[in-house]
Amino acid sequence: EDQVTQSPEALRLQEGESSSLNCSYTVSGLRGLFWYRQDPGKGPEFLFTLYSAGEEKEKERLKATLTKKESFLHITAPKPEDSATYLCAVQDGSEKLVFGKGTKLTVNP
Amino acid sequence: GAGVSQSPRYKVAKRGQDVALRCDPISGHVSLFWYQQALGQGPEFLTYFQNEAQLDKSGLPSDRFFAERPEGSVSTLKIQRTQQEDSAVYLCASSLHLREQYFGPGTRLTVT
Repeated sequence: EDQVTQSPEALRLQEGESSSLNCSYTVSGLRGLFWYRQDPGKGPEFLFTLYSAGEEKEKERLKATLTKKESFLHITAPKPEDSATYLCAVQDGSEKLVFGKGTKLTVNP
Repeated sequence: GAGVSQSPRYKVAKRGQDVALRCDPISGHVSLFWYQQALGQGPEFLTYFQNEAQLDKSGLPSDRFFAERPEGSVSTLKIQRTQQEDSAVYLCASSLHLREQYFGPGTRLTVT
């Protein structure tokens, strides 16, 4: 059974203080690893897809990386508007996504 | 362009009532998914359609849950005889085949 574990559960940063969120996974045949951002009262917003170990993708202050067992979401010089819950999900041979519980990020000004 | 839309955004039902939740996917997306999200948790898979065919319903928690997509576009998730444990946010997502999924805003169901 596919499993996704995200850590930490919650993270508080000061504006400009860079950090990383972790996503550990076990999956039988990884087709893709997905990162989403979710704001309160809204649906998840797609950020990145990673397909193979060693792959990296960047978007503004966010960079996602992938190894055979985990993925990291690096946040460089975060701003208060980066505050949200970040969700990691894996996809195996089926179409469905298996999500972790998320990391709630708060960036204080 | 238009994203995934869901209605209603909020639904309050008395225990035992039937409810129907609607999802309008992004135009042209063949795959449609329903997920259930409890407070403080990640979304959990319920069911999946490719066009009008329901290919996976392994996540539906009981036979009180039923989903359909008769014309391969709009989908409805129906919950019969609602129970308090059904209270959650129900998310719909759509995608092109084997690509990233785009989510709607969700329907928050509260069963009293």
